[in-house]
Amino acid sequence: LAKTTQPISMDSYEGQEVNITCSHNNIATNDYITWYQQFPSQGPRFIIQGYKTKVTNEVASLFIPADRKSSTLSLPRVSLSDTAVYYCLVGVPYSSASKIIFGSGTRLSIRP
Amino acid sequence: NAGVTQTPKFQVLKTGQSMTLQCAQDMNHEYMSWYRQDPGMGLRLIHYSVGAGITDQGEVPNGYNVSRSTTEDFPLRLLSAAPSQTSVYFCASSSETAYGYTFGSGTRLTVV
Repeated sequence: LAKTTQPISMDSYEGQEVNITCSHNNIATNDYITWYQQFPSQGPRFIIQGYKTKVTNEVASLFIPADRKSSTLSLPRVSLSDTAVYYCLVGVPYSSASKIIFGSGTRLSIRP
Repeated sequence: NAGVTQTPKFQVLKTGQSMTLQCAQDMNHEYMSWYRQDPGMGLRLIHYSVGAGITDQGEVPNGYNVSRSTTEDFPLRLLSAAPSQTSVYFCASSSETAYGYTFGSGTRLTVV
């Protein structure tokens, strides 16, 4: 199982772009990279998933370099409501051998 | 569409008691899993299932049993509760056609 490393915490201000980087040096060929967001007292919520290059949806972008040993979640123009814990996961989604393992996550605090 | 439903939301047990945490999903997802989250920590995988009749252990399976007799339900049984099992428990489900895992709202368990 690929282990991930993320910063423990980050601070930013409303309206700024926030980039959270995740390291996954031993990512396997078939592994995907998935990011989740978790608010206090709630279950994690899926944000974005990718395999290589760049993926964008209505809430975030995911940048994955060619060697795939890291990835960056980009949140454009954050607001106070983006204050949450963000988890980077690496694995084969929906595989019978897949164990979706969460790390400690990055605690993002947005200030006015 | 209810998604993933967990019951109860709160539970207090005495050491040595047993109980079952219920998890049901109405999305016809093949994959279901149970996680526990201790205060200020990430999620740890307890057990998971890739379909009815198929279960496997996660990172921290000791003290817990699961079964998957139907696609919809994935109950988690605590055999003999211990204070170390005080945690918030999350159930999640997914499928090959879904993006990421859908999590329930959690069960907050206290063992005294």
